[in-house]
Amino acid sequence: KQEVTQIPAALSVPEGENLVLNCSFTDSAIYNLQWFRQDPGKGLTSLLLIQSSQREQTSGRLNASLDKSSGRSTLYIAASQPGDSATYLCAVGGGSEKLVFGKGMKLTVNP
Amino acid sequence: DAGITQSPRHKVTETGTPVTLRCHQTENHRYMYWYRQDPGHGLRLIHYSYGVKDTDKGEVSDGYSVSRSKTEDFLLTLESATSSQTSVYFCAISEYSGGPYNEQFFGPGTRLTVL
Repeated sequence: KQEVTQIPAALSVPEGENLVLNCSFTDSAIYNLQWFRQDPGKGLTSLLLIQSSQREQTSGRLNASLDKSSGRSTLYIAASQPGDSATYLCAVGGGSEKLVFGKGMKLTVNP
Repeated sequence: DAGITQSPRHKVTETGTPVTLRCHQTENHRYMYWYRQDPGHGLRLIHYSYGVKDTDKGEVSDGYSVSRSKTEDFLLTLESATSSQTSVYFCAISEYSGGPYNEQFFGPGTRLTVL
């Protein structure tokens, strides 16, 4: 059974720092990995999707990498801003269009 | 934003009553999903649909049923609500392009409280 872990569960940083958010998964036979952002009381916003054949994806200040063999993905946030404060979730797609989610990491960026 | 709406957005009900949540999409996507989100458990898949009248169970399907009679609507029914079904319910959609698997887009959620 696929398990997805995000450590730490929470992170508080000053504005301007470059951040690395970690996601690990137990079964490397994945089809894709998706990073989401969730603001309090809101739904999930898709940030980046990495297919299993890809090593990384970039969108603006965000860069996500995937290492299937080691069961890890990282989300890099450059020059963090207070508006980046949210919970970040990673989810792994392993078949039949199903996603298995990590429990998320709550990020607080302080002005 | 993907055109996904959920109704109702908030509901309080009593144990033993039936409850139906609705997800409506305007994207004409083939796949639709129902998840629940709980503290300490994260998001877990309840049921999903891969086409009209085609549905399958997810990780936590006990106590839930679904129906999809039109591409745009996916209904989640709690036949007899229990307090353990108090949660936030999210609908999601994705499109099939022949693989690999595709990006999922989420609705705003429904907060359900069962007293």
